[in-house]
Amino acid sequence: SQQGEEDPQALSIQEGENATMNCSYKTSINNLQWYRQNSGRGLVHLILIRSNEREKHSGRLRVTLDTSKKSSSLLITASRAADTASYFCATDRGAQKLVFGQGTRLTINP
Amino acid sequence: DTAVSQTPKYLVTQMGNDKSIKCEQNLGHDTMYWYKQDSKKFLKIMFSYNNKELIINETVPNRFSPKSPDKAHLNLHINSLELGDSAVYFCASSPDPGGNTIYFGEGSWLTVV
Repeated sequence: SQQGEEDPQALSIQEGENATMNCSYKTSINNLQWYRQNSGRGLVHLILIRSNEREKHSGRLRVTLDTSKKSSSLLITASRAADTASYFCATDRGAQKLVFGQGTRLTINP
Repeated sequence: DTAVSQTPKYLVTQMGNDKSIKCEQNLGHDTMYWYKQDSKKFLKIMFSYNNKELIINETVPNRFSPKSPDKAHLNLHINSLELGDSAVYFCASSPDPGGNTIYFGEGSWLTVV
């Protein structure tokens, strides 16, 4: 069954603006991960946040996790055209597999 | 120096045919996966192997048969292809099956006509 659900499904912003994507899930997790998929390519791991962590940073990326609300957000600051891609959250429920959502399609307009 | 490589990248074939997709990883990982991404971008796990042993089979039809000759290779064979099998198939690997970072291949675009 689908675990993570990203919101919005599509997001279009101007270059330089910040982009925020959300992910909600239904059951307890060990960790939550965010991946990026450029058009026609495979998924690339961005960041992993464990269930006992609340916030994590990596360059222009900031991920938050609220286990009480079963939700996570990915913030990309100072967006660039190269950030145009689909972004997926994936949850690890300890069943030896990651369960992916359907992704948010992000478009950065020059 | 590609980490996870899969071939072919594109495959167009007729209904009823049998086809294989090959995958190799040079990361030294113990766990390999096959994922299917449909036209709506929904990514779903099909199989997971750890050290050549099947650990996850997500109710995939018997027409799909993975084979892992060694822990660096996980091939996917599909019998009697159907229109609904059209999708992008991703091979992936991770150091272990415990929910760590997954490294994906570039995908194999399968179109059944």
